[in-house]
Amino acid sequence: TQLLEQSPQFLSIQEGENLTVYCNSSSVFSSLQWYRQEPGEGPVLLVTVVTGGEVKKLKRLTFQFGDARKDSSLHITAAQPGDTGLYLCAGALGGSYIPTFGRGTSLIVHP
Amino acid sequence: EAGVAQSPRYKIIEKRQSVAFWCNPISGHATLYWYQQILGQGPKLLIQFQNNGVVDDSQLPKDRFSAERLKGVDSTLKIQPAKLEDSAVYLCASSLRLANYNEQFFGPGTRLTVL
Repeated sequence: TQLLEQSPQFLSIQEGENLTVYCNSSSVFSSLQWYRQEPGEGPVLLVTVVTGGEVKKLKRLTFQFGDARKDSSLHITAAQPGDTGLYLCAGALGGSYIPTFGRGTSLIVHP
Repeated sequence: EAGVAQSPRYKIIEKRQSVAFWCNPISGHATLYWYQQILGQGPKLLIQFQNNGVVDDSQLPKDRFSAERLKGVDSTLKIQPAKLEDSAVYLCASSLRLANYNEQFFGPGTRLTVL
């Protein structure tokens, strides 16, 4: 059983479309992080959210941390082919320093 | 600033053979992680070091996997003997200190194929 459930598992869209991916858990996390991983490379951090209800924006990407700190979402506006990759959420349970990752959402944006 | 270095990048072995991976973290980073990433899945933490001490190794198959971080800098991960299901990408990451909000910097990984 995955501690962090990500959905959808796969997403294939056209350039210019909007999309949202989700990261859900039944447990409370002290913080959540979103990473993007491209083929043949390690994950790269996009954002860290710490406060329940927090919203952070990174250009066309909007990240939200749920009020109860059990879930998070990533919204991409006007997707571009350069957004193609595996989007991973990761977090540590409250009081723990041990990180856990979700299975990821594989996004393909077609030109 | 140099990133996390890993070697080799690729390794092909037969089952029951031994293999070792090497990781050099970012200079000054106290925390080092080894992950196993099977195709289509997220990274699974195998072992986490703080300097040269183990923070967590609860998911490390200790009958065949071992890891060390002598002197609190470089680290090696060994598999002996390898099984078919060990085929995966092995990622090393480091972070500045032990904190749940710290950014982890990942190396490019070692892709292991066990035949």
